[in-house]
Amino acid sequence: EVQLVESGGGLVQPGGSLRLSCAASGFIISDNYMSWVRQAPGKGLEWVSVFYTTGSPLYADSAKGRFTISRDTSRNTVDLQMNSLRADDTAVYYCARHSSRYNGSPVYHWGQGTLVTVSS
Amino acid sequence: QSVMTQPPSVSAAPGQRVTISCSGTSSNLGDNYVSWYQQLPGTAPKLLIYENHKRPSGIPDRFSGSKSGTSATLDISGLQTGDEGDYHCGTWDSSLSAWVFGGGTKVTVL
Repeated sequence: EVQLVESGGGLVQPGGSLRLSCAASGFIISDNYMSWVRQAPGKGLEWVSVFYTTGSPLYADSAKGRFTISRDTSRNTVDLQMNSLRADDTAVYYCARHSSRYNGSPVYHWGQGTLVTVSS
Repeated sequence: QSVMTQPPSVSAAPGQRVTISCSGTSSNLGDNYVSWYQQLPGTAPKLLIYENHKRPSGIPDRFSGSKSGTSATLDISGLQTGDEGDYHCGTWDSSLSAWVFGGGTKVTVL
């Protein structure tokens, strides 16, 4: 059974940093596109970053220069390092596994989400 | 401000049909497949439709999708109280080089 379990969310002050982790089971992360998608309170979904099977990352404009996605194949985890956090980064962050290896491939599996709150 | 436009809400009585629209541009819906996600209250999204009209295993045929040009539609027939929640369209935007979503539509069963 495929499972994605996020951890690392919490309350952080503006300008601070936080590292989210996603533990995957039931599949090998290096065989899949893995993304982080967030949802601000009462808002829609917003894609943040993807880690391609080639080992390359891609970021949304809102994340460029501040967030870094990485993977650890030995632990089958995908992390999101978030720096210079702002109030508008407040959201539930979902770990996501894409169903196929092409840009636009849908997210087939979602984690339960971890809440990040940026506030003083 | 979401890249694609969805109506904020739709509603209908049990057993009836609702249609949710998703409007985009030539660089997103006009050039790429659309997916639809169901998000029930307090839960993570769930894939409902992919590649415009295909259903993952386990998704009932009450849910159907279509796409024409820069617009896409999700139809829910035989509406049930358990269908109440938010529905999001998603695709790739070739100009932004990013996955993009609509703002979401809240479905209410009257």
